[in-house]
Amino acid sequence: ETGVTQSPTHLIKTRGQQVTLRCSSQSGHNTVSWYQQALGQGPQFIFQYYREEENGRGNFPPRFSGLQFPNYSSELNVNALELDDSALYLCASSLVQGRKDGYTFGSGTRLTVV
Amino acid sequence: GIQVEQSPPDLILQEGANSTLRCNFSDSVNNLQWFHQNPWGQLINLFYIPSGTKQNGRLSATTVATERYSLLYISSSQTTDSGVYFCAPVFSGGYNKLIFGAGTRLAVHP
Repeated sequence: ETGVTQSPTHLIKTRGQQVTLRCSSQSGHNTVSWYQQALGQGPQFIFQYYREEENGRGNFPPRFSGLQFPNYSSELNVNALELDDSALYLCASSLVQGRKDGYTFGSGTRLTVV
Repeated sequence: GIQVEQSPPDLILQEGANSTLRCNFSDSVNNLQWFHQNPWGQLINLFYIPSGTKQNGRLSATTVATERYSLLYISSSQTTDSGVYFCAPVFSGGYNKLIFGAGTRLAVHP
């Protein structure tokens, strides 16, 4: 059974650029959630995808968008990057929106915006 | 609003000591997880525990949903237990999203 994998592991972008982060869910999981973790804080919910549709969104602007593909992998896209977008981005997968056995996290993508 | 409070915020232990971490939450929950974040940033799932008590080796957890708290026990701590421990409930009535507390930062010294 493969776990949750994220790519890339580290990324440096310039303010105003766009970035795409990728996540492969754990085998058998149909739900993917994305979280942003600023330094020294707990992760904050960005949005969740269930069966290829957005199923809940946190307090993040529209320039944060996502996709889920038929194989349940997912992308997080951030447009017009700002310095405050520098953070660890975590992807979590689960079966049936976490209602069975909870969520499993990947190792994260550390994004630095300069 | 919905709140998750973890205590203590910081904890320093000598190797071999025992500790209890607490998580209070403000509303009814559908489930709750405890995670350990290692120095490389990965969140390791320790327990999925919406209610009751579970044990896994030196770790155990108890959630009393009716009283809105959960406890994580670490016995005979080791240096590899160092890191940040997060409690993350899923509140009833909202999206099925984890709401994280601020975490307890644990340092275990030899």
